[in-house]
This record gives sequence, structure tokens and C-alpha cells, in this order.
Amino acid sequence: DIQMTQSPSSLSASVGDRVTITCQASQDISNYLNWYQQKPGKAPKLLIYDASNLHTGVPSRFSGSGSGTDFTFTISSLQPEDIATYHCQQYDDLPYTFGQGTKLEIK
Amino acid sequence: QVQLVQSGAEVKKPGASVRVSCKASGYSFKNFAMHWVRQAPGQRLEWMGWINAGNGDTKYSQKLQGRVTITRDTSASTAYMELSSLRSEDTAVYYCARGQYCSTFNCYRGVWFDPWGQGTLVTVSS
Repeated sequence: DIQMTQSPSSLSASVGDRVTITCQASQDISNYLNWYQQKPGKAPKLLIYDASNLHTGVPSRFSGSGSGTDFTFTISSLQPEDIATYHCQQYDDLPYTFGQGTKLEIK
Repeated sequence: QVQLVQSGAEVKKPGASVRVSCKASGYSFKNFAMHWVRQAPGQRLEWMGWINAGNGDTKYSQKLQGRVTITRDTSASTAYMELSSLRSEDTAVYYCARGQYCSTFNCYRGVWFDPWGQGTLVTVSS
């Protein structure tokens, strides 16, 4: 199975900060990488697909980049409503696998 | 709007089976795959398997192979996930999620999950 490792596991930042989360795959997955946002007690929501494509309706402060094994997710200016856990997910090979999640808190 | 509505919470004893339903609306059910993902307490999301809602083809996680069965009823636009021989480690929130577009013969290469159902808590306890 392809292992997905996110860093950091938790993060505290202030409103307006630029926030960056990384996701590393255990093997080359091209750009077959998605990002989701999950608020407490809720289902995940798709934010970014194919590493860098913003899903419909998602604010432009969210972005993604990377290919191969190393990927980055960025919030350009943190808003209070962005408090959530963020997950990366690969679909290069079965089984589709997720990172362990990054819990984002407001400082 | 596209929406997935799941059945309610379940409490099961070890060794029993559970079936969770996922009713889709707002899109052509037969033209998309439906995936199932679970999240145990404090654990990462775990993909379980998917079904091509058009032709019924399925693929499962090898970890769950033999215990999980995904089916669908196209007349009801509903997908089902059944997990058998339940054990305490199966306690989790189970989600359905719409996946890739599928034609009659194959499915689109890109696989992302959108939208997700609201989740169904399955508790396995004696």
C-alpha cells in the first residue's frame, strides 16, 4: 500500500497567517493527490483535486501544489472558519489511502 | 443539489453483520461510482471499496476482502455497504462518497470523493 505522511500533525496559527501543510507519498503518485477539509462531527469536503485544481465553490485562499512524492497545501490568509482537520488522499493505486490528518487551530 | 443521505446509527454485537444504506439524489446515480470510507476514533480515514453504480462492478480493500460487500439498487438510487463478522475494531463512522464518472464500459481515471454522506456511526460492543 502507498503510505501517505502529513506534516505537521497539528498546527496553531493566527487569523491572517499563511498556513502550509505537506503530504509525502511513499512512492511516485504523479499528481493523483486530493485534499479534504473536515470540521468536527462533519463529513470531509473536497477542496483540491489532482494536486492543484480548486474544487468548485472553494475560496481562492486555498491552493495546492506538487507532484511525484511531495505535495503542499496552503491557506494564504487563515480565516476563523478554516479551523478543521485537513486530509490528503492518493488515488494512484488501490487501496486509496489517506494521510493521518493535520488539525489546524487558531492561536 | 447533489446529496447523499445515509441510514442511522447502529449498535451491533461482535460477530454480527451491519448494513448501511446511502440514498443519492440530484444526479444520475448510474453514471458515477460510489465509494465507502470509514473513520475509527482517532484514526485516519480508511477507504473500504467502491461500486460502479451502472454495471455493479466492485473493488474492495484487501484488508476487508471477504467481510465487506457493496451493492446498489438503481431503481432506488441507493448504495449499500454490508460488513460481516464484526469486531470491536470495526467501531467507526462509515461514510459513502460519490466518486468518479463511469460510462457503460469504464470509469474516469480521476478519483476524488464529492460529496460525502453525513456518516453513520457503527458501534460494535458486547
